[in-house]
Amino acid sequence: RKEVEQDPGPFNVPEGATVAFNCTYSNSASQSFFWYRQDCRKEPKLLMSVYSSGNEDGRFTAQLNRASQYISLLIRDSKLSDSATYLCVVNAPFGNEKLTFGTGTRLTIIP
Amino acid sequence: DAMVIQNPRYQVTQFGKPVTLSCSQTLNHNVMYWYQQKSSQAPKLLFHYYDKDFNNEADTPDNFQSRRPNTSFCFLDIRSPGLGDAAMYLCATKRAGGFTDTQYFGPGTRLTVL
Repeated sequence: RKEVEQDPGPFNVPEGATVAFNCTYSNSASQSFFWYRQDCRKEPKLLMSVYSSGNEDGRFTAQLNRASQYISLLIRDSKLSDSATYLCVVNAPFGNEKLTFGTGTRLTIIP
Repeated sequence: DAMVIQNPRYQVTQFGKPVTLSCSQTLNHNVMYWYQQKSSQAPKLLFHYYDKDFNNEADTPDNFQSRRPNTSFCFLDIRSPGLGDAAMYLCATKRAGGFTDTQYFGPGTRLTVL
C-alpha cells in the first residue's frame, strides 16, 4: 500500500461547480497534513494546511479524519484559475523532517 | 522576494557529462531537501540536510551527490547523467522541529540529457 494515495483523475469540471478530492494515508502516527497545488511545469506551492477541526480558506475547505486516515479538499465555485494538480502531503511522525507526497489529482476547469 | 532560489532554471547536458545544480535560501531554515520529479509523478525525495547532517534516501542512486557548504547554499551533483535522469529537480527548505511547518520550494531546475 502506498503511504499516500490519491485518485489521479483527471477531473474535468465546469466552471462554477463544486469539486472534492480525497486522499488516504497509511501511517497512523502522521502528524501534519497539507494540500499543495502544482501548476504545469512549476514548483509545488502550499495551498493550505489541514487541521483536525477542519479549516476553510475562501472557496477551499480541508478536512481531516484521523480515524479513517483520510484527508479531503473541497473547492466551491470553481474558477478557471483552479486548474492545476493538487498534491496531498503528509508529514512523517515525530522527529522526522520528511514529507510524503501523493501522486496528485489533476483538475481542469472547463469554461 | 524570492526565498528559495535555484540556478540554473534550465540545464542541458550530455549523457555522462557531470552537472551541478544549485539552491540558495534566504529563510535561514536548517533543513534543505532535494527532490526529483518526473512528468505526472510525485516529487521523489533524493536526500536532505538537517544542518550539516546528510540524510540519504535508501533508493537514491550513487550517481547523485550533494554538498551543503553553509546554511544558505546546497548543491546537487549528478556525476554521470543518464537519459533517465532527465527531470525537474526541486530544492525545498523547512524550519526544523516545526511539525506544522511546511516546506518552501524553489522554482526548480529542468534538466535535459542529450
